[in-house]
Amino acid sequence: NAGVTQTPKFQVLKTGQSMTLQCAQDMNHNSMYWYRQDPGMGLRLIYYSASEGTTDKGEVPNGYNVSRLNKREFSLRLESAAPSQTSVYFCASSETASGIYEQFFGPGTRLTVL
Amino acid sequence: AQSVAQPEDQVNVAEGNPLTVKCTYSVSGNPYLFWYVQYPNRGLQFLLKYITGDNLVKGSYGFEAEFNKSQTSFHLKKPSALVSDSALYFCAVRDGQGGSYIPTFGRGTSLIVHP
Repeated sequence: NAGVTQTPKFQVLKTGQSMTLQCAQDMNHNSMYWYRQDPGMGLRLIYYSASEGTTDKGEVPNGYNVSRLNKREFSLRLESAAPSQTSVYFCASSETASGIYEQFFGPGTRLTVL
Repeated sequence: AQSVAQPEDQVNVAEGNPLTVKCTYSVSGNPYLFWYVQYPNRGLQFLLKYITGDNLVKGSYGFEAEFNKSQTSFHLKKPSALVSDSALYFCAVRDGQGGSYIPTFGRGTSLIVHP
């Protein structure tokens, strides 16, 4: 049981390049989330997916797109990276229907945009 | 609307002493409250939660938290701190009475335990 996995762990991009961050969970959770973490800012929600086939914007969605490929996988795409997107990105999942409520987080992707 | 405040950016405590990391919240309905810990270069790990029931909640690694409805607080505590407890701690809240199931996180408190 791997929990939540993320790839890659580290990435350096040049301004204007694109990339996709991958996330997968093996806990059969319905809901998945993408956050970014910046010093002094805590966690900010980028996008979330309540269930397979649905996605919604969070607090800071500009410059990002997401795909809920199936129940297990939720990817985050940067179409044209900007230095302001330098951050640590975390994927998380949770099961809202079973009374567990807490989120399970992946190890993070450290992204630098030059 | 829901919000959470962690009033201290950093808490320093000597090993063996009790520790408290503060959290206050605001939510329209019943609060569901959570504490998470983040060790350097790692993702967040769930520590404990309050959903309903006993106001004193026990969690992982000897941590506990006390839900205080009148003070809208959910402070994290441990009777005897360890150097290995040094990490970043996040409080989170969501409205358990309808509304969004998405939690709101505090900005985090850095706990430093000195040998």
